Amino acid sequence: ETGVTQTPRHLVMGMTNKKSLKCEQHLGHNAMYWYKQSAKKPLELMFVYSLEERVENNSVPSRFSPECPNSSHLFLHLHTLQPEDSALYLCASSQSRLAGAWYNEQFFGPGTRLTVL
Amino acid sequence: AQKVTQAQTEISVVEKEDVTLDCVYETRDTTYYLFWYKQPPSGELVFLIRRNSFDEQNEISGRYSWNFQKSTSSFNFTITASQVVDSAVYFCALGHTTFSSGNTGKLIFGQGTTLQVKP
Repeated sequence: ETGVTQTPRHLVMGMTNKKSLKCEQHLGHNAMYWYKQSAKKPLELMFVYSLEERVENNSVPSRFSPECPNSSHLFLHLHTLQPEDSALYLCASSQSRLAGAWYNEQFFGPGTRLTVL
Repeated sequence: AQKVTQAQTEISVVEKEDVTLDCVYETRDTTYYLFWYKQPPSGELVFLIRRNSFDEQNEISGRYSWNFQKSTSSFNFTITASQVVDSAVYFCALGHTTFSSGNTGKLIFGQGTTLQVKP
């Protein structure tokens, strides 16, 4: 596997279900991100992890729960979702630094298309 | 406030035409980065270019070129001699660094421009 992979690619769930999205990066990066892409809306940053520590939570409802067990893996646990949560969920990774105004591009996975019934 | 505006929602051209995608940004930061990403129907965002705020030189990569104008806060993207494979959604993004717990970048995306290139 190369780049950033996401599983599953498609997911249909009911509002009472619990499911998890998985992201894995094979690039040796140390920062990972979850984005939500809804129809007719720009990509919205949800969470940022740097060195396995959550550094940003963009006012995301608690029904979305991220987990980053190591620098290569990122999960998004879902429970009691709403139909408006249906969207494409994109994972990305980048190489961050601990100091200096240095910025690297993010590499994205193919996304998980989530439908909440 | 940080904001990216891509005023063109959809553009349709015929193959071999040149097309320019507009991007206007707002930021109070003196150091920032601008990006373009391509999202084909498969869904994965593909990185095209990164430009930092101190480098206003235009860049050309094959049929792609970018025009960064700090005076007008614009970072426009031109595809020369467009091809059907260029059909995709193109996103402009503004990046600025957060300095807490490491230097992870936060990207603010525009709404995207859907480009359709017809044969």
